[in-house]
Amino acid sequence: DGGITQSPKYLFRKEGQNVTLSCEQNLNHDAMYWYRQDPGQGLRLIYYSQIVNDFQKGDIAEGYSVSREKKESFPLTVTSAQKNPTAFYLCASSIGFNSNQPQHFGDGTRLSIL
Amino acid sequence: QKEVEQNSGPLSVPEGAIASLNCTYSDRVSQSFFWYRQYSGKSPELIMSIYSNGDKEDGRFTAQLNKASQYVSLLIRDSQPSDSATYLCAVIRNSGYALNFGKGTSLLVTP
Repeated sequence: DGGITQSPKYLFRKEGQNVTLSCEQNLNHDAMYWYRQDPGQGLRLIYYSQIVNDFQKGDIAEGYSVSREKKESFPLTVTSAQKNPTAFYLCASSIGFNSNQPQHFGDGTRLSIL
Repeated sequence: QKEVEQNSGPLSVPEGAIASLNCTYSDRVSQSFFWYRQYSGKSPELIMSIYSNGDKEDGRFTAQLNKASQYVSLLIRDSQPSDSATYLCAVIRNSGYALNFGKGTSLLVTP
């Protein structure tokens, strides 16, 4: 089945630790995105990538980093500089950077601080 | 002004009734609009997209768009308890690269 796979489902971070959230898609989509959702809040854009080897900061990129070495993969690292990392992290993809294309989401990763 | 606004709810409707969910947006040049459903603890699921003024129907769902009023709505006919969820309105940014989301409206369909 085609889709977006995020792992792990749950992740715990210790003080001063970097953690990496995985996002893999087999939809052959060019564009990929990372969002963060806090309780009772809408989704906020962290980073996005239009194409392999290219990515751009979103609205709340501080304390996060990404890479896009393969079309299928767009991992997100939450660094120790992110002081409030507890949230629901959602990866999405779309066919391309075309304004009519909807985004589809993975199942998400819940990150908490130990 | 917030870019995409929705009433947080909860909106409570009896089973079988029509649920009406509303969304306003601030960017006049926005061209693409989406409704996502999000069950508690789950990720958003795309249920409707609309690009032109007027109505678009898909099963029990109807999306309505009025660009002059910068208003998008979602109607759910014959509401079922399984429709109980948070509904997120999303609008493509004028730069075309990502979505602006509203905070969502919580819908509760009571048996």
